[in-house]
Amino acid sequence: DIMMTQTPLSSPVTLGQPASISCKSSQSLVHSDGNTYLTWLQQRPGQPPRLLIYKISDRFSGVPDRFSGSGAGTDFTLRISRVEAEDVGVYYCMQATQFPITFGQGTRLEIK
Amino acid sequence: QVHLVESGGAVVQPGGSLRLSCAASGFTFSDYGMHWVRQVPGKGLECVSFIRFNGNGIYYADAVKGRFITSRDNSKNTLYLQMNSLRPEDTAMYYCAKQQYLLIPDYWGQGTLVTVSS
Repeated sequence: DIMMTQTPLSSPVTLGQPASISCKSSQSLVHSDGNTYLTWLQQRPGQPPRLLIYKISDRFSGVPDRFSGSGAGTDFTLRISRVEAEDVGVYYCMQATQFPITFGQGTRLEIK
Repeated sequence: QVHLVESGGAVVQPGGSLRLSCAASGFTFSDYGMHWVRQVPGKGLECVSFIRFNGNGIYYADAVKGRFITSRDNSKNTLYLQMNSLRPEDTAMYYCAKQQYLLIPDYWGQGTLVTVSS
């Protein structure tokens, strides 16, 4: 199975300031079709996960443009340009290149 | 809009069985694969299984292989997870999620809680 490692595990951020989460995979996430199926999920308190970003940098329907993804191969980053109160929660990177899909440990975003 | 509703969660003794259901609406269920993903309360996410749109390909995580069976009834727009030989470590919130493309899950249900305890 592909192992996903996130840093940091906790991120206290001031409202209006940027935040960044790193994710590394234990092997390349490039699929045989040439795409890289690295996704980012958000889980607000008491809610199910929600898809934010897929294929490294494509924002899912309804996701604000303050969320962006980047990276390649085994190293990926989620950035929030200006954190808002509604962004509090846990963020997971997830690889969907091969089964089983695997997740990072999660990064808890909290407001300072 | 897409709506997924899980049901069937309960408290069950070790060694027991349980069947979860996931009722889907708001999309053409028979066109999409479906995931089961679980989450121990307060912990991370873990893949359980994936079933292709027509049920002809079903994949299981090693932790549940041989004990859990995933199926679907496209005429009822419903996904199932038959859980046998349950263990305390199977205690978790179980989510169903719709496939977007290949293995990407886009929409998730609210989950149903399974507790395995004597």
